[in-house]
Amino acid sequence: DSGVTQTPKHLITATGQRVTLRCSPRSGDLSVYWYQQSLDQGLQFLIQYYNGEERAKGNILERFSAQQFPDLHSELNLSSLELGDSALYFCASSVTTSGRAIDTQYFGPGTRLTVL
Amino acid sequence: AQTVTQSQPEMSVQEAETVTLSCTYDTSESDYYLFWYKQPPSRQMILVIRQEAYKQQNATENRFSVNFQKAAKSFSLKISDSQLGDAAMYFCAYRSADNNDMRFGAGTRLTVKP
Repeated sequence: DSGVTQTPKHLITATGQRVTLRCSPRSGDLSVYWYQQSLDQGLQFLIQYYNGEERAKGNILERFSAQQFPDLHSELNLSSLELGDSALYFCASSVTTSGRAIDTQYFGPGTRLTVL
Repeated sequence: AQTVTQSQPEMSVQEAETVTLSCTYDTSESDYYLFWYKQPPSRQMILVIRQEAYKQQNATENRFSVNFQKAAKSFSLKISDSQLGDAAMYFCAYRSADNNDMRFGAGTRLTVKP
């Protein structure tokens, strides 16, 4: 158990709908990352939040957005869903230290999204 | 942009034997971190081992060790005394020291034969 929690575990919805995925980081971790794992694209970094602020952006679609709340949990919002958005969505967290200290990301169990 | 290549889509090993998974990466940076993650059938991503690029000594974690060749941009994972529980997808990952955008390879599926 990594200490990162994600809800729900599974989500089935229809095209055009909107869903929200939730992530709670490990105790003490200030950074939250979102990844998408699909069969054709592999594991892709979507976005990072650090202590409530957006820190880095990857291959995140405009239909997707995220935020990190004062209690450090994060939500990933996916809207106008398409069939191709079906994937496993991972949240990871890390301390995010400065300097040369390695900043390891620990992954949650993922949310499997199926768009029908 | 940094890319990570795992040239072995599938590997198999006999229980108790040793197997090496390959990973190469492309970067112009000198300061970065490398990771191996394991993804068993449960789909959980589990950190196996990590290496700082500025450290010359290869990282080891029990039965897992790496061969880090910075000049060759190679970062292979050696699993000794393979166990049935080692069967999983293994992903190599690169992260720059300047940002937290972690790049993953396509993965290697490891099968362990009893």
